[in-house]
Amino acid sequence: GENVEQHPSTLSVQEGDSAVIKCTYSDSASNYFPWYKQELGKRPQLIIDIRSNVGEKKDQRIAVTLNKTAKHFSLHITETQPEDSAVYFCAVDYGGATNKLIFGTGTLLAVQP
Amino acid sequence: NAGVTQTPKFRILKIGQSMTLQCAQDMNHNYMYWYRQDPGMGLKLIYYSVGAGITDKGEVPNGYNVSRSTTEDFPLRLELAAPSQTSVYFCASNGRVGANEKLFFGSGTQLSVL
Repeated sequence: GENVEQHPSTLSVQEGDSAVIKCTYSDSASNYFPWYKQELGKRPQLIIDIRSNVGEKKDQRIAVTLNKTAKHFSLHITETQPEDSAVYFCAVDYGGATNKLIFGTGTLLAVQP
Repeated sequence: NAGVTQTPKFRILKIGQSMTLQCAQDMNHNYMYWYRQDPGMGLKLIYYSVGAGITDKGEVPNGYNVSRSTTEDFPLRLELAAPSQTSVYFCASNGRVGANEKLFFGSGTQLSVL
């Protein structure tokens, strides 16, 4: 079925450290894997995404890696800052051309100053 | 562009009442979605639409109905509200048939059923 597992559910790091969040999925036909950040009381915002034809993508302090064989992908945040504190959601497209995105359960990241 | 506009922002319903959550987008997106987010939880897909006249069920469709008579509007209907439907509801849209694009979310509707 359509399943996205996300770990950990909470993550606390010291400012300047790195944070890694991992997601696994079940459909080998999925080919689009975005990450969304949601600050308290706000709507989710896309921060980075990756398609299945690449293994890694970087955008300044954030990067996403994809292992299609193992069906997992990860978000990496380096040099964390207090403003990185938020809930992060991974998502996977299930449904081919319908572009139906199924979300993971979220990771609450707390960056301690 | 206003993006994705949701109304109302807050609503309290009594058990058994009905209501419609409105969603409109002005980006000419084909794809529109309704998600619900329970406190401290992730986003669950309720219904989605790939174009006017076409809708399909998501992960948690029970207790809801949708329609898509125009490209711009995608209302969500709750017929007999239940406490389990207390949640924050997000409408979202994206574009380009056959390709994947980022989701544009509305600001959300906070619904309480008492």
